[in-house]
Amino acid sequence: GAVVSQHPSWVICKSGTSVKIECRSLDFQATTMFWYRQFPKQSLMLMATSNEGSKATYEQGVEKDKFLINHASLTLSTLTVTSAHPEDSSFYICSARIGGSYEQYFGPGTRLTVT
Amino acid sequence: DAKTTQPPSMDCAEGRAANLPCNHSTISGNEYVYWYRQIHSQGPQYIIHGLKNNETNEMASLIITEDRKSSTLILPHATLRDTAVYYCIVPEKYYGQNFVFGPGTRLSVLP
Repeated sequence: GAVVSQHPSWVICKSGTSVKIECRSLDFQATTMFWYRQFPKQSLMLMATSNEGSKATYEQGVEKDKFLINHASLTLSTLTVTSAHPEDSSFYICSARIGGSYEQYFGPGTRLTVT
Repeated sequence: DAKTTQPPSMDCAEGRAANLPCNHSTISGNEYVYWYRQIHSQGPQYIIHGLKNNETNEMASLIITEDRKSSTLILPHATLRDTAVYYCIVPEKYYGQNFVFGPGTRLSVLP
């Protein structure tokens, strides 16, 4: 099956610093990648959608200048949390979709803790 | 808001079939029903999807009613490792077929 990886799997950073999370599709080319955020005991919330080579589309209430998304190739998307604060601590999950299909393949997630 | 409704939780005895219902009464004719599950602290895992016919794969079976307003995911012989939150998702065309995750059903498989 289609495999999506994320790196790192967990990260702890100090308040005010930036953190980059990578999402890779390992055995397929993803025309669209998605970034979700999940707080404890809650469901996944879509943050943004990105297509290779174009700007990401952010969901309402998600600050695009704080959560920078780059989708430079068909197998790699990155999410950078800039000037992180404790309230940004969460489980960040990416997914990838193959063109022509609605199915999404999810990465294992990255747990971010901001101290 | 999610286009689907599911019971918040269910229990199932190990080795028995787990039947997880989902209502999607406003589904359109060309919208698929997808099922994913999320084991604690992991990314969601694809299980199965269907349009109007019943579907079966190595993980589960999906039964969609004739009017397509509801469906049931069946895990034929539940194991302890099937304990997870199960999400029923209907990607909406106007939303670019993006996924909207509701709270799902927390399935507990009991020994």
